[in-house]
Amino acid sequence: AQSVTQLGSHVSVSEGALVLLRCNYSSSVPPYLFWYVQYPNQGLQLLLKYTSAATLVKGINGFEAEFKKSETSFHLTKPSAHMSDAAEYFCAVSEGSSASKIIFGSGTRLSIRP
Amino acid sequence: DADVTQTPRNRITKTGKRIMLECSQTKGHDRMYWYRQDPGLGLRLIYYSFDVKDINKGEISDGYSVSRQAQAKFSLSLESAIPNQTALYFCATSDFYHNEQFFGPGTRLTVL
Repeated sequence: AQSVTQLGSHVSVSEGALVLLRCNYSSSVPPYLFWYVQYPNQGLQLLLKYTSAATLVKGINGFEAEFKKSETSFHLTKPSAHMSDAAEYFCAVSEGSSASKIIFGSGTRLSIRP
Repeated sequence: DADVTQTPRNRITKTGKRIMLECSQTKGHDRMYWYRQDPGLGLRLIYYSFDVKDINKGEISDGYSVSRQAQAKFSLSLESAIPNQTALYFCATSDFYHNEQFFGPGTRLTVL
């Protein structure tokens, strides 16, 4: 069975600092991996996805993630945090190639200090 | 207009009441899903449907039922609501060709 572990339920960084949100996955087959963002009082929005092409995936709003098979990781980074990045971020893994069943991590709340 | 809509957006009800949450989509997707979100637990799948005649239980289906009235509509029912069903509920859609799910804005349900 596939699973996702997000390390750190809450991360706080200063504006302009590096953002690093950690995600490790478990999968018996080549996974499809996702990062979703949830802004306050809104639904989830896809940030980026890995679908077995390039291991470094670029997403919206300056975020990117690197798929590392040897470490079973898919960490999300952004070089310089902006106040508008404050949100909850979810890492997720798909059991199939068509996102038909997605397993979500428990989420990481990102706070940005002025 | 939003591609995935949910009604109501907020609902407060009492223990034992029957509640229906509705989801509609204009994306033309054949696959629809219901999740609940609880703090610290992420999103957990309740039910999913790959087409009108296909309904499947998810991780936490007990106490819930669903109806797929049409390709574009997928309803979630709580036959007899209980307080631990207080949560944020999301509907999502996908299709075979796009490797992602698209989410509605959510319904915040409170059971007193």
